[in-house]
Amino acid sequence: LAKTTQPISMDSYEGQEVNITCSHNNIATNDYITWYQQFPSQGPRFIIQGYKTKVTNEVASLFIPADRKSSTLSLPRVSLSDTAVYYCLVVRGKLIFGQGTTLQVKP
Amino acid sequence: GAVVSQHPSWVICKSGTSVKIECRSLDFQATTMFWYRQFPKQSLMLMATSNEGSKATYEQGVEKDKFLINHASLTLSTLTVTSAHPEDSSFYICSATPRGSDTEAFFGQGTRLTVV
Repeated sequence: LAKTTQPISMDSYEGQEVNITCSHNNIATNDYITWYQQFPSQGPRFIIQGYKTKVTNEVASLFIPADRKSSTLSLPRVSLSDTAVYYCLVVRGKLIFGQGTTLQVKP
Repeated sequence: GAVVSQHPSWVICKSGTSVKIECRSLDFQATTMFWYRQFPKQSLMLMATSNEGSKATYEQGVEKDKFLINHASLTLSTLTVTSAHPEDSSFYICSATPRGSDTEAFFGQGTRLTVV
C-alpha cells in the first residue's frame, strides 16, 4: 500500500481558499486517491475521490498531476466549520490512514 | 447516500467485562467491513478487516482473542472487546465497503468506549 505524506497542520482565515497537498510516491496503477474529513469524536466523512487530472464536487476540488505521485485538495472559501482533520488516502482495498492535516480556520 | 450506523455511540463498562459494538450498513450490502481504533489526537489505526462469512484478518499487534469480530451478514459486523481493561478505552470506528467496490468506504459515527 502506498504511504502518504501531508503537512501536519495548516492555518487559514475565513473566506480563503485552502490547498492541502499530499504526496504518494509509491502509488500503484489501480490505486485511487481519496480525501476524508474528520471532526472530533466523529467518524471520517468522504470528501472527494479521483484517479487523475481534476475532480470537482460541491465541496472541494482534487487536482492530480499526470504522474499521480501527489494530489492537492482545494477547499474554496473556507469557514470556521471547516476546522477539522483532513486525511489523504491511496485506496485499493483496505484504507490505511496517515497522520492527516489539522486545518484550523480562524475568524 | 450510503449510511453506516454504529451502536452504541458511547459505552462505559467495568474492567473485566465484555462489550459488543455493532456496525450496520443501512442502505447497501457490504462484503467488507473494517474496524479502527483511534486514541486522542492520533490517527485511525486499522485493527482488522472483516469479510462476510469468513474469519477476520487482524493487523499485526492486534489480539484476535481480545477483539472478536463477527461478520455474519452483508449488513452487520460486530466487534466484541473481551475482558476490557482501562487501556482499551478508545474511540472505535467501523467502515463498510459496498459490494463490488474496493475504492469506496463509508464510516460509522464511532463508538466511545470507556473502561472503568
